[in-house]
Amino acid sequence: SYELTQPPSVSVSPGQTANLTCSGDELGDKYACWYQQKPGQSPVLVIYQDIRRPSGIPERFSGSNSGNTATLTISGTQALDEADYYCQAWDSNIVVFGAGTRLTVL
Amino acid sequence: QVQLQESGPGLVQPSETLSLTCSVSDFSISSGYFWGWIRQPPGKGLEWIGTISRSGRTYYNPSLGSRVTISTDTSKNQFSLGLTSVTAADTAVYYCAREAEYCSGGSCSKDWFFDLWGRGTLVTVSS
Repeated sequence: SYELTQPPSVSVSPGQTANLTCSGDELGDKYACWYQQKPGQSPVLVIYQDIRRPSGIPERFSGSNSGNTATLTISGTQALDEADYYCQAWDSNIVVFGAGTRLTVL
Repeated sequence: QVQLQESGPGLVQPSETLSLTCSVSDFSISSGYFWGWIRQPPGKGLEWIGTISRSGRTYYNPSLGSRVTISTDTSKNQFSLGLTSVTAADTAVYYCAREAEYCSGGSCSKDWFFDLWGRGTLVTVSS
């Protein structure tokens, strides 16, 4: 079965750029999306189709996907960006989530 | 503003069937999109359970085998989840969500991302 791998945790200083990665076999040939989940809240879509931002998502969130790795980039990271981030793709009609990365802003 | 709201028992006995309903407001589920269920065990990540189309076609996570059934009730503008033979491993927050679609040439297909989620409901499996 298809798997997506994310680092368990990433730390970033306020104002710096955070790069969260998601790896999967030939992931670049698929569409990847990203969700942000804060404690006690539902996930929120922040990037879809590799690079697109839903309405209302700040411009500091951007995405890319090439080769075996999709990347969510948060530029000028703010304290309110501290959350769990999940990547997601699909393969053989099955939705697959990564295990998530906890982003700490300190 | 479209909203999704899960409802159902918060406690289910082992070996019984878990049944949840998602009520959709301000949008008719028979008009478009796909509608899915995702769960999250306490302290863990997200797991896709399955999705249903407006026409009733279903897509299930094979890891759950034949235990899952998703259906729609268009008269009530709801879709439902049934999960049989539950164990403690099925304890989780269950989310319903809207899955995007793209339409071309008069037909629409899944777009494989969830753009709107309910608040989630915790279901505990315990005697």
